[in-house]
Amino acid sequence: GGIITQTPKFLIGQEGQKLTLKCQQNFNHDTMYWYRQDSGKGLRLIYYSITENDLQKGDLSEGYDASREKKSSFSLTVTSAQKNEMAVFLCASSHRGSGAEQFFGPGTRLTVL
Amino acid sequence: QQQVRQSPQSLTVWEGETAILNCSYENSAFDYFPWYQQFPGEGPALLIAIRSVSDKKEDGRFTIFFNKREKKLSLHITDSQPGDSATYFCAASPGNYKYVFGAGTRLKVIA
Repeated sequence: GGIITQTPKFLIGQEGQKLTLKCQQNFNHDTMYWYRQDSGKGLRLIYYSITENDLQKGDLSEGYDASREKKSSFSLTVTSAQKNEMAVFLCASSHRGSGAEQFFGPGTRLTVL
Repeated sequence: QQQVRQSPQSLTVWEGETAILNCSYENSAFDYFPWYQQFPGEGPALLIAIRSVSDKKEDGRFTIFFNKREKKLSLHITDSQPGDSATYFCAASPGNYKYVFGAGTRLKVIA
């Protein structure tokens, strides 16, 4: 088995601030993902990385940057936090290949004041 | 554009009853449909999944029924237990790395 660790668990920022969320996995998975979960809207893909040196935009990439530092870690940066923004950011990982099960971390809850 | 729709938004059943969660999609290219279960404060976890070549997938008390022609599928939870109370997400993938998630169905099972 393995585990996905997301830090911090709770993140409070100011409007316009640049904020970074971190994700670590010890599954030895090739592929990692960042999703945003808003209440009542399901999960939306922000960025994903198929292998260590790859970076792909999802459907919700505007306003975000991502970085795959090494195979086990994937960071997400909110480039300019928006006031009243509140969402849970979920990191996931999977083996390489379509249809591979995605394993999710517990999430980082973002609040922007 | 909401490509994957789930209904109902919330569902309450008594312990022992069968809960039926519905999902429909628009993109004919979708061929893999996982269902995820999420408890409060946790990330989603894969519950059961089906590929479009099958019309039924069963795993214990959980069964997916799939109708490719109508682009609909449903998750049946038989003998529902209070521990099944969670939010269930239907997702769809066209065979690449991108999943499209529905908005979820919040299930409550009353003892």
